[in-house]
Amino acid sequence: DADVTQTPRNRITKTGKRIMLECSQTKGHDRMYWYRQDPGLGLRLIYYSFDVKDINKGEISDGYSVSRQAQAKFSLSLESAIPNQTALYFCATTDSGAEGRNEQFFGPGTRLTVL
Amino acid sequence: AQSVTQLGSHVSVSEGALVLLRCNYSSSVPPYLFWYVQYPNQGLQLLLKYTTGATLVKGINGFEAEFKKSETSFHLTKPSAHMSDAAEYFCAVSEMDGSFKTIFGAGTRLFVKA
Repeated sequence: DADVTQTPRNRITKTGKRIMLECSQTKGHDRMYWYRQDPGLGLRLIYYSFDVKDINKGEISDGYSVSRQAQAKFSLSLESAIPNQTALYFCATTDSGAEGRNEQFFGPGTRLTVL
Repeated sequence: AQSVTQLGSHVSVSEGALVLLRCNYSSSVPPYLFWYVQYPNQGLQLLLKYTTGATLVKGINGFEAEFKKSETSFHLTKPSAHMSDAAEYFCAVSEMDGSFKTIFGAGTRLFVKA
């Protein structure tokens, strides 16, 4: 089984709809991240969480919110989706030890289309 | 804040040829550096990383990268390309401001011709 899973894998929605993307991990890591990937822009950080009670905004958090329901679960919500939120979304995890030197482990991604 | 520049959004090589993917970073202190690979319809996975010690780092699938502080570079190479190397490659650095966030480059898509 995959260590980091994301649901759904694909989603098409309409402008103004609320949508939630979910991420679960079995790696036992305390740090979790949400990124979006756009062609030519690489990955940009939306939100990150160092533990259940510690949630931080990334560089592009406007229009998004998150919930860390448990150490293993981190959800991303779009309260009112708009077309420019069409992108590939990735969840990632990392261990808090060896600050900054640890690799991130990525889920398979969610392709979101907002019409 | 740090930034990462990958020169060339697309690189095309022939099978068996040298692969060179360029990465430069902006930092006044040596950062932690990473190369990730993304195969179609998959998430990113680590190829290699530099934290401290030897500046030539070997990774999976025959890739290696050299950290050059004087040039603020961390270029990725492979002596002989294989068709299975076709993918998108991302250079990344850890932010050294205490947040230890990872900053990604825009990515370079590698095409391998038969």
